[in-house]
This record gives sequence, C-alpha cells and structure tokens, in this order.
Amino acid sequence: AQKITQTQPGMFVQEKEAVTLDCTYDTSDQSYGLFWYKQPSSGEMIFLIYQGSYDEQNATEGRYSLNFQKARKSANLVISASQLGGSAMYFCAMRVPQGGSEKLVFGKGTKLTVNP
Amino acid sequence: ETGVTQSPTHLIKTRGQQVTLRCSSQSGHNTVSWYQQALGQGPQFIFQYYREEENGRGNFPPRFSGLQFPNYSSELNVNALELDDSALYLCASSRTPYQPQHFGDGTRLSIL
Repeated sequence: AQKITQTQPGMFVQEKEAVTLDCTYDTSDQSYGLFWYKQPSSGEMIFLIYQGSYDEQNATEGRYSLNFQKARKSANLVISASQLGGSAMYFCAMRVPQGGSEKLVFGKGTKLTVNP
Repeated sequence: ETGVTQSPTHLIKTRGQQVTLRCSSQSGHNTVSWYQQALGQGPQFIFQYYREEENGRGNFPPRFSGLQFPNYSSELNVNALELDDSALYLCASSRTPYQPQHFGDGTRLSIL
C-alpha cells in the first residue's frame, strides 16, 4: 500500500536560515507524483511544490526546492531563507490511483517553527 | 487564494445527528474531493466526485455521502454522527481527476 512517512514531528529554525523537512514514501507504482503543502493554523492547505516520478530535475519554486532521491524513495523539502510567516504544519503527499481517479495520501506532517 | 470556499467555518453537533458541509469550487473545476483531517494527523481521502458522479472512495462507511451540482458546488453529508467524526473537513477541487487539487480553508466539526 502507498504510504508517506514524515519522521520529524517538530522542527525549529532561525529566521533567514535554511531547513530541510524529511519525507520518505512507499509505492509499487512506476508513475507517481509527490507534493508538499503548508497548512497554517487557519486550516487551508497551501500548495508549495510538486515532483513527478519521471522528472529528471529536482523541482524548485522560489525559496522551496525538493530534494528527490528516487532510489532511496525520499522527497525532502528544502526551505532556504526561512521567514517568520513560515511557521506552520508542512505535509508531504503522494498522488495515487483510486478507482477511476486519483487521491492524495498524506503523511502526518512536521510542525515548523520559525524563530526571530 | 484558491477560489475554493467552504461553509460553515465551524460547526458543533451532538452524537447521532446529521450534518451537511458545503463547498464552492472555481468555475470549470469539474472534480471535487473531500478529506477528513483528525487532530494531529494528515488529511485522509473520503471520496471524489467528477461531473456529479462518485468517482472514487476511501475507507469511510456509507454514512458519509456526497453530492455535486452543475454550478460547481458540492456537499458532504454525514449521518449518525460519532465522536470520532470530530475533525477538520477539507474540500479540494480540480479541472479533472488528474490535475492538481486546490484546497479550501476547511470546516471544523466538533461532536459533543
């Protein structure tokens, strides 16, 4: 069964420093997609970055980059220059087939606290 | 701003009652998925609707049901509420079942 594992319940980082949030995944599918979402206390899931299993380059979106290591089945999120507004829950998710559609399978999340 | 709105923001019910949660998607988004997020957990897939038909279902009992309407609005209905149904319910929409999903702010449901 498809599964996402996030082993860091909480992380702390100083403002303007970089931080890496870990994510490992398990799937037998050859084609899949990996996402990172940010969830502030308000509840909305905010899309950050996407990596397809066949993408040869690591995805980047502004201050966010995804360190994709396919053989190790890891998809770590790297945030450069953390900002105070970046304190939130961060979820890794994988797109998996579900009947005639697709669903997202999420990890348990990492709570990131950005300190001034 | 994702263009996906959910109502109400918060809701309190008692065990055994029924509840309807609503979601309004962006124009042109024919697919809506619902997720349940218990406290301290990641969201779990409940079901997906595509062009007003159920298009995939997670491991949730039949008392969780849904509707999707032609005007890009949808509903999640839960009957015979249980204490474990207390959670944040998230709606996500996309143009097709295979395109990125855009999430709303969610409805926080508390069961007393």
